[in-house]
Amino acid sequence: DIQMTQSPSSLSASVGDRVTITCRASQSVNNYLNWYQQSPGKAPKNLIYAASNLQSGVPSRFSASGSGTDFTLTISSLQPEDLATYYCQQSYSDPFTFGPGTKVDIK
Amino acid sequence: EVKLVESGGGLVQPGGSLTLSCVASGFSINDHYMDWVRQAPGKGLEWVGRTRNKANRYTTDYAASVKDRFTVSRDDSKNSLYLQMNSLKTEDTAVYYCTREVGATGSNWYEPWGQGTLVTVSS
Repeated sequence: DIQMTQSPSSLSASVGDRVTITCRASQSVNNYLNWYQQSPGKAPKNLIYAASNLQSGVPSRFSASGSGTDFTLTISSLQPEDLATYYCQQSYSDPFTFGPGTKVDIK
Repeated sequence: EVKLVESGGGLVQPGGSLTLSCVASGFSINDHYMDWVRQAPGKGLEWVGRTRNKANRYTTDYAASVKDRFTVSRDDSKNSLYLQMNSLKTEDTAVYYCTREVGATGSNWYEPWGQGTLVTVSS
């Protein structure tokens, strides 16, 4: 199985800050990498698919990049509603695996 | 509105069985692979299993942790997905989400997700 890691595991930032989360795969997943946002007490929601494509309705302050084994999710200007845990997930090979998550808090 | 709604969770003793249901609205599940993903309390997301569509003969895949104990099935006429769980263990305690696979082969993602249903395995 492909192992996914994320860093940091948690972060605290102020409203308006630029936030970057990193995801690494144990082997190349091409660009078959997705990002999800899970707000407290809610189901996950897809933010980014195929490494860099913004899901419809997702604010443009979210962006992502990467290919192969290294990927990043960036929030250009953190907002209070961005309080959540963010997960990366590879869909390159079965079983699809998720990273352990990055919890984003607002200072 | 595209929506998934799960039901059937609850408290069950170790070794027991439970069946979860998921009803889709706003789209037809006919053409889609449908999956179950779970989340243990305070933990991350774990893929559980999937059923492919009719074109792919409704074949199924499972995580190693649930293989031979869980069965994913679907009824396209009812726009519904099911998860039959047998020989439940305490480590199966989790919120179970149903979700739709979207995209082309290799570049798939999950959207939407249901609200989840909690399964607690405890004596």
